[in-house]
Amino acid sequence: DAGVTQSPTHLIKTRGQQVTLRCSPKSGHDTVSWYQQALGQGPQFIFQYYEEEERQRGNFPDRFSGHQFPNYSSELNVNALLLGDSALYLCASNRGLAGVSSYEQYFGPGTRLTVT
Amino acid sequence: DAKTTQPPSMDCAEGRAANLPCNHSTISGNEYVYWYRQIHSQGPQYIIHGLKNNETNEMASLIITEDRKSSTLILPHATLRDTAVYYCIVRVADSGGYQKVTFGTGTKLQVIP
Repeated sequence: DAGVTQSPTHLIKTRGQQVTLRCSPKSGHDTVSWYQQALGQGPQFIFQYYEEEERQRGNFPDRFSGHQFPNYSSELNVNALLLGDSALYLCASNRGLAGVSSYEQYFGPGTRLTVT
Repeated sequence: DAKTTQPPSMDCAEGRAANLPCNHSTISGNEYVYWYRQIHSQGPQYIIHGLKNNETNEMASLIITEDRKSSTLILPHATLRDTAVYYCIVRVADSGGYQKVTFGTGTKLQVIP
């Protein structure tokens, strides 16, 4: 059973460029969340997708957008990259409506984005 | 979601129990306590969660005080592989089970040989 997978593993972009990160949830999961983790900090919630709609959003600008596909996989897009966007981007999945005991989120290994 | 307070770092001798405290004095009645850990360069890993009763699984035990204002994660026999940053999170799921998780800076546990 594959867990949460993310691609690419590492990425280097230039300021002002756009980037797309991808995530495939754990088998049986239908909800995907994205987090940004700066060096030495805990993960910060960006947004969450369920049934192809954004359900919750953290304090991130509109430059951060996402999408969920019918197979539950998801993309995170960041436009007009800033140096401060350099971070580890984590994807997590869970079963959205399966009850309290299923609120365990499973995280992927992350994509390390470096903006120069 | 309620804010949590954790010590920034702790050491534990290999083979001994590691007791990681967490303060969540503003927790609400419908908020659960969750613990995750993050080993260097990996994504966070779910460990355990609870509401008010103590919980145990194959990884750890979670002790929640009666007033629910604090909790302790116990790793009964710490190994070098348990060296990681441990995050204590409290959260409530809104209707539909959607989750918005807020991580703090966690406790960096160093297991010493």
